[in-house]
Amino acid sequence: RKEVEQDPGPFNVPEGATVAFNCTYSNSASQSFFWYRQDCRKEPKLLMSVYSSGNEDGRFTAQLNRASQYISLLIRDSKLSDSATYLCVVNLRSNDYKLSFGAGTTVTVRA
Amino acid sequence: GAVVSQHPSWVICKSGTSVKIECRSLDFQATTMFWYRQFPKQSLMLMATSNEGSKATYEQGVEKDKFLINHASLTLSTLTVTSAHPEDSSFYICSARHPNGLDGQYFGPGTRLLVL
Repeated sequence: RKEVEQDPGPFNVPEGATVAFNCTYSNSASQSFFWYRQDCRKEPKLLMSVYSSGNEDGRFTAQLNRASQYISLLIRDSKLSDSATYLCVVNLRSNDYKLSFGAGTTVTVRA
Repeated sequence: GAVVSQHPSWVICKSGTSVKIECRSLDFQATTMFWYRQFPKQSLMLMATSNEGSKATYEQGVEKDKFLINHASLTLSTLTVTSAHPEDSSFYICSARHPNGLDGQYFGPGTRLLVL
């Protein structure tokens, strides 16, 4: 079983729509959670950390459900510029800083 | 925000040659850097953890004699792909952990390696 699993999509949505997707992780002792964004042929860029109480950053909302071991990302009022692959990233252990990446969820926002 | 650079951004080489990739943290000191590899449509796979002043820690299945890592200063880590073969063609990305304690990492722009 993979340490981090994501629905690869693609999610194809019109501008202004809301899109949401989840990611599951296998290690219940995982410590830190992040969403990264990766554009085609580019490096990942940190979108937001995910906190236990859930958090928002503008149009982006992240949630963590430790009991079910999943995190989610919701994008409101989608923009064309939101088209990208969103990577779910988990720090599995507290004694190192190694990150495990999901394969990514592709979102395409169309005009 | 923190900036990490990589050089070169892409390289094409013949099979059997060695390729050196540099990763630099430009505005902070990084005691720990990470090297990843990403094949098309796949997730980033951690290859090794590079620690300043000590030996790198390699992930299972990554040959340390094939992928030489040197982290000689707090702002520079290098990855050398020795005797590269076509199956080593990939997108190599480094990242650095910021000393401010955040768990997130800052990624370099990546190096595309094509071995002919």
